[in-house]
Amino acid sequence: AQTVTQSQPEMSVQEAETVTLSCTYDTSESDYYLFWYKQPPSRQMILVIRQEAYKQQNATENRFSVNFQKAAKSFSLKISDSQLGDAAMYFCAYSNDDKIIFGKGTRLHILP
Amino acid sequence: DGGITQSPKYLFRKEGQNVTLSCEQNLNHDAMYWYRQDPGQGLRLIYYSQIVNDFQKGDIAEGYSVSREKKESFPLTVTSAQKNPTAFYLCASSIGIGDPRGNTEAFFGQGTRLTVV
Repeated sequence: AQTVTQSQPEMSVQEAETVTLSCTYDTSESDYYLFWYKQPPSRQMILVIRQEAYKQQNATENRFSVNFQKAAKSFSLKISDSQLGDAAMYFCAYSNDDKIIFGKGTRLHILP
Repeated sequence: DGGITQSPKYLFRKEGQNVTLSCEQNLNHDAMYWYRQDPGQGLRLIYYSQIVNDFQKGDIAEGYSVSREKKESFPLTVTSAQKNPTAFYLCASSIGIGDPRGNTEAFFGQGTRLTVV
């Protein structure tokens, strides 16, 4: 069975600095998708970034980028120039042809 | 406007009563999911469905039931057998495995906060 592990329950970063959130996963499949979702206090789930496993190039979306290491089954999220609005829960997710599963999340605090 | 609608936003029920949470989508997605969110537990998969009239158990299906009679609708019933039903419930949908793009990202509703007293 596939699993997603986020080993950092909470993290803090100074405003304008860079922070990296970690995620590892376990799967025997070769083709899948990985995602990072943001959940602000409103609890609405917002897609931050998506990575397709067959693509070697790391995905980027403005200040958000990932470091995808397929062999190591690692998928970390880097947030550059952190802003107060980035404060939220961040969930790593894995998707295959069957279902979408999530990690336990990392709560990110932004220090002014 | 396309999206997923969960209702109600807040739900209160007495212990021992069954309760049904509604989830409707107009995104023409084949796949739909129910997740439960508790503090420190992340999103745990309850049930999912890739096609009408078919669904599978997730990791924490005990005490829950679902139906998928229409593509647009995937209601979740929390039964009296669920020992600790108070939680935040999220419904989601995705394109599904029938699409060449595969089972891509999930689109979420706004959630239902269920409190059992």
